[in-house]
Amino acid sequence: AQSVTQLDSQVPVFEEAPVELRCNYSSSVSVYLFWYVQYPNQGLQLLLKYLSGSTLVESINGFEAEFNKSQTSFHLRKPSVHISDTAEYFCAVSEGEGNTPLVFGKGTRLSVIA
Amino acid sequence: DGGITQSPKYLFRKEGQNVTLSCEQNLNHDAMYWYRQDPGQGLRLIYYSQIVNDFQKGDIAEGYSVSREKKESFPLTVTSAQKNPTAFYLCASSTTSRRGSYEQYFGPGTRLTVT
Repeated sequence: AQSVTQLDSQVPVFEEAPVELRCNYSSSVSVYLFWYVQYPNQGLQLLLKYLSGSTLVESINGFEAEFNKSQTSFHLRKPSVHISDTAEYFCAVSEGEGNTPLVFGKGTRLSVIA
Repeated sequence: DGGITQSPKYLFRKEGQNVTLSCEQNLNHDAMYWYRQDPGQGLRLIYYSQIVNDFQKGDIAEGYSVSREKKESFPLTVTSAQKNPTAFYLCASSTTSRRGSYEQYFGPGTRLTVT
């Protein structure tokens, strides 16, 4: 069975500093990978996704993630964070066949400090 | 505007009562899902449905029931058998086409408090 590990439950970082949120998964087949963001008392919003092709994917608000097949990782990065990036971030994986539900990590709470 | 609606946003019930949470989507998605979210535990899958009139149990189905009579609707009933029902409940949907990208779209959630 698939599993997703987000190694850090909480990440505090100063405004304008870089950040990396780590995600590792276990799967023996091709996967689709996703990062979602959740603001307090709201649903999850898709931040970015990897399906195929370039291993580096970007979001419109400056986040990027790189798929590393050999390390089974999909870490999320941003070179300079803003206060508005404070939220919870979830990594998710799908094996891509049919429409089995995504498997989610437990989430990383990013707190940006002014 | 296409999307997923969940109602109500906040719901309060007395212990021992069944309660039904609504989830409606107009995205024409075949698959729908229910998750429960508790602090520090991420999302846990309760039930999912890949097609009308069919659904499967997720990881924590005990104490919950669902129906899928229409493509647009996937209501979740929290029964009195659920030992600890207070939580944030999220509904999601996705496509089943092989051309689709398999990401799930989420509703805004319902926060259920049982006292």
